Amino acid sequence: DAGVIQSPRHEVTEMGQEVTLRCKPISGHDYLFWYRQTMMRGLELLIYFNNNVPIDDSGMPEDRFSAKMPNASFSTLKIQPSEPRDSAVYFCASKVAGPPVQYFGPGTRLTVT
Amino acid sequence: AQKVTQAQTEISVVEKEDVTLDCVYETRDTTYYLFWYKQPPSGELVFLIRRNSFDEQNEISGRYSWNFQKSTSSFNFTITASQVVDSAVYFCALSVASGGSYIPTFGRGTSLIVHP
Repeated sequence: DAGVIQSPRHEVTEMGQEVTLRCKPISGHDYLFWYRQTMMRGLELLIYFNNNVPIDDSGMPEDRFSAKMPNASFSTLKIQPSEPRDSAVYFCASKVAGPPVQYFGPGTRLTVT
Repeated sequence: AQKVTQAQTEISVVEKEDVTLDCVYETRDTTYYLFWYKQPPSGELVFLIRRNSFDEQNEISGRYSWNFQKSTSSFNFTITASQVVDSAVYFCALSVASGGSYIPTFGRGTSLIVHP
């Protein structure tokens, strides 16, 4: 079975540009999570969805960040406008309902210059 | 609120040494789940193990073993006869039912460096 798929794997952009990160969760998983990982702050939960509905976006750092999940097999995380401090690795993860394991995608390494 | 503490920021060992990674957690829930993930230099987060709060049996998988002790709120991870391929950042996580969502709380991670 395919795991969580993220694209692009690497993104380099200039400050002020719009960035869109994409995620395809594992088929049949009810929950989708977006995380950001930096050396300073570790692994931070940004937002999560249940059955395509955003449940908790309290981790989204600013209004510049937005996330959508138009259907069960696709989600986007958008940063507009991007800033250098947004440089990080962004992970998408998914799981089924209940306490099972979160499965992570390979991550997108974002560099904003 | 839940909390996971991995006090060891970085551990450096020589190949074939045994190494233990510590994880201490805090929760008021009586039902919870504990996890370990591995993040090798390639960057992906790989699930290693899950334990629930009702099962304190230690687990062994090859060179890996986990010691869960509710009395000390710890879930430590031991690698026996470490190898260079074990070099990675290891994360401990805690998950409790929060409206049924079981959102995990991650520790800051322990970077393990195994020298040849």
